[in-house]
Amino acid sequence: AQSVSQHNHHVILSEAASLELGCNYSYGGTVNLFWYVQYPGQHLQLLLKYFSGDPLVKGIKGFEAEFIKSKFSFNLRKPSVQWSDTAEYFCAVNANTGGFKTIFGAGTRLFVKA
Amino acid sequence: DGGITQSPKYLFRKEGQNVTLSCEQNLNHDAMYWYRQDPGQGLRLIYYSQIVNDFQKGDIAEGYSVSREKKESFPLTVTSAQKNPTAFYLCASSMEGGMISGNTIYFGEGSWLTVV
Repeated sequence: AQSVSQHNHHVILSEAASLELGCNYSYGGTVNLFWYVQYPGQHLQLLLKYFSGDPLVKGIKGFEAEFIKSKFSFNLRKPSVQWSDTAEYFCAVNANTGGFKTIFGAGTRLFVKA
Repeated sequence: DGGITQSPKYLFRKEGQNVTLSCEQNLNHDAMYWYRQDPGQGLRLIYYSQIVNDFQKGDIAEGYSVSREKKESFPLTVTSAQKNPTAFYLCASSMEGGMISGNTIYFGEGSWLTVV
């Protein structure tokens, strides 16, 4: 069965620090990959996604993620975080495994100190 | 405005009672989903439906039931058989259930269910 692992459950950074959140998935076939974000008090929304083409994907608010097929990874990056990036981040995988469904990782809570 | 509406936002249930959470979408999406969000466990898929009158079990379907009689509606019933029902429930939808467009999932605001 497909699964998604997020390496860090809690991350604390100071403003202007660089961010990288790890995400690995277990499925050998074609996948679509997503990062969703949940800001405090708001509902989940899409940050960025990959489904074909350039493996380096750019999303909103300066975030990007790189799909490395050989490593089954889709890490999220931002060169300089802001206090407003404080949120919970979820990696998700969608694979055609004979029944369509999107599986989410456990989430990473990011706290950015002003 | 287009979107996904979940109701109620907060619900208290006595042990042994069934309760139904409503989810309506006006995005004309084919696929709809129910997830449960627990701290430290992320989102876990309960049920999903790719088309009307069809639905599939997710990873934690035991103690839950759904129906999909209309495209825009996907209610979730939490039955008394669900051993740990207190949680935050999220309904979602996407354009289609396949892989063609790398479809994005759109979420509702969620429903908090507490069993007392």
